Amino acid sequence: QVTLKESGPVLVKPTETLTLTCTVSGFSLSNARMGVSWIRQPPGKALEWLAHIFSNDEKSYSTSLKSRLTISKDTSKSQVVLTMTNMDPVDTATYYCARILRIGLTDYWGQGTLVTVSS
Amino acid sequence: EIVMTQSPATLSVSPGERATLSCRASQSVSSNLAWYQQKPGQAPRLLIYGASTRATGIPARFSGSGSGTEFTLTISSLQSEDFAVYYCQQYNNWPSGLTFGGGTKVEIK
Repeated sequence: QVTLKESGPVLVKPTETLTLTCTVSGFSLSNARMGVSWIRQPPGKALEWLAHIFSNDEKSYSTSLKSRLTISKDTSKSQVVLTMTNMDPVDTATYYCARILRIGLTDYWGQGTLVTVSS
Repeated sequence: EIVMTQSPATLSVSPGERATLSCRASQSVSSNLAWYQQKPGQAPRLLIYGASTRATGIPARFSGSGSGTEFTLTISSLQSEDFAVYYCQQYNNWPSGLTFGGGTKVEIK
């Protein structure tokens, strides 16, 4: 059974750095056919892809957020970590991690974690 | 960046009726188009990929069509559990990035 679970702070202050962890089970981060993406959704708004990482450490970032994002993985712990610097209230959103296949499909999603940016 | 535009923003449908949702890409995405369903408080669920292939466990009342820049998701006979928000997503220029449409909310009429 494939599961993904996000963890991290529920509240961060403006200018702080957000660190989110995605812990996966039911598949391995060493599997070359799949990776993990981070996607966010501001309250009441649409989905926005942020970044992905694959087993060979191939990474890609949203063009608009690239300067603020870093994605990494710890295969032994089955974890993928996303950091986003210089947080702003507009970054308030539910952050999801999802399994992504090599063709770009996200077939399993975590439940999401709501992150609020406020002083 | 490829922009995905969904219409209408809200669709009011009675149970048992047919629902037709549209998605348009700003440039051709071939058949690299997926549809997701999202219910309140839940993560999106993959419904359709390759523009017309149902994901595992998705009922036959859901069907997708189209290619290039114009796509349609049809729900043949709406059930109570189908009232949700639906998103299209292109993955044609993967791995450069993914883009989602703005969503269509299907509500009870």
